[in-house]
Amino acid sequence: NAGVTQTPKFQVLKTGQSMTLQCAQDMNHEYMSWYRQDPGMGLRLIHYSVGAGITDQGEVPNGYNVSRSTTEDFPLRLLSAAPSQTSVYFCASSRDNSYEQYFGPGTRLTVT
Amino acid sequence: GENVEQHPSTLSVQEGDSAVIKCTYSDSASNYFPWYKQELGKRPQLIIDIRSNVGEKKDQRIAVTLNKTAKHFSLHITETQPEDSAVYFCAARTTSGTYKYIFGTGTRLKVLA
Repeated sequence: NAGVTQTPKFQVLKTGQSMTLQCAQDMNHEYMSWYRQDPGMGLRLIHYSVGAGITDQGEVPNGYNVSRSTTEDFPLRLLSAAPSQTSVYFCASSRDNSYEQYFGPGTRLTVT
Repeated sequence: GENVEQHPSTLSVQEGDSAVIKCTYSDSASNYFPWYKQELGKRPQLIIDIRSNVGEKKDQRIAVTLNKTAKHFSLHITETQPEDSAVYFCAARTTSGTYKYIFGTGTRLKVLA
């Protein structure tokens, strides 16, 4: 198993540009989530999904969209990037009955 | 909304001493409490976890305790080593509505040789 994969590893955007951060898992996990990590702020939940076709907002959803059309994939879309979205983004997944979350390697995003 | 508070934000200990990190959660329906270790530039890695029906769990030098009444849980590291230096995060799996995981703000642990 590849586990949880994320692409790209690094990305630089200009203010106002859009992009999609990709996340995929091959463990047939029902639950997937996106976090952003900023210095001193810990891991803040952006959006999460408990299964294909079901998504919900976390603590900091503004400026981000998600969809879950398949069990494997959970892309995060930035519609109009802002400097405040400069951060490291982690995707994670877990199985409903085991609870343990597995994290992807992260995407470092810089918005200028 | 659901919240997890973590203290202290930084902790320095001498090699061989013990370290304790404490977290408090707000949602009494939370049922799972993991602890993660994150080294610089790496992803968070699970080091120990506990479910709400257990009061204490130990794995070699690390242990976690849970007080459901007070909504507190703590990470204990004994005989600390320089390689324990990292940022540690607690989290709670809240079950109000659909379930989700909320993280604390992290503790930077420095083990001084």
